[in-house]
Amino acid sequence: AQSVTQLGSHVSVSEGALVLLRCNYSSSVPPYLFWYVQYPNQGLQLLLKYTSAATLVKGINGFEAEFKKSETSFHLTKPSAHMSDAAEYFCAVSERNGNQFYFGTGTSLTVIP
Amino acid sequence: EAQVTQNPRYLITVTGKKLTVTCSQNMNHEYMSWYRQDPGLGLRQIYYSMNVEVTDKGDVPEGYKVSRKEKRNFPLILESPSPNQTSLYFCASSLYGPTNEQFFGPGTRLTVL
Repeated sequence: AQSVTQLGSHVSVSEGALVLLRCNYSSSVPPYLFWYVQYPNQGLQLLLKYTSAATLVKGINGFEAEFKKSETSFHLTKPSAHMSDAAEYFCAVSERNGNQFYFGTGTSLTVIP
Repeated sequence: EAQVTQNPRYLITVTGKKLTVTCSQNMNHEYMSWYRQDPGLGLRQIYYSMNVEVTDKGDVPEGYKVSRKEKRNFPLILESPSPNQTSLYFCASSLYGPTNEQFFGPGTRLTVL
């Protein structure tokens, strides 16, 4: 089974500062990789996904993530945090030859005015 | 409006009393899935369905049943709920499989006393 590790269950940044949320996966074969966001009291929505095309993936709301095979990582970044970015962020994977879906434990992002 | 709906949104029940949480999507999606979300554990997949009459276990299927008799509906059944099934449940759907964007319902908060 796949596993996804998100380092840091809580991250705080100042408004306008860089956002960096970390994600590592366990598979030796690079899976499909995703970042989902959950705003308070809502369901999840897709931010971006990696499916083996470009290693730098751009998503919605100014977020992007870089796939690094050598580090088995897929960290999420945004150059300048906005108050509206406060939410819970989940990294997730899907195996290339499977139909299951695995989420990380999530990182709660707080943006300080 | 394209959406995934779940009912009920909130449910308090007692141990052993059978319950069903309904899930319906209007996007003609083939893949549907149930997740439970618990603090510190992220979301974990309970069951998924690749198409009508095709269902399979996710990571935490014990104590749950599902059925997929119609493409649009994917109910989650707890035949004998126990307190450890107290959780926030999400239904999701995607066009063909987990590598496509999953659209999530609003969630069902279940408390088993």
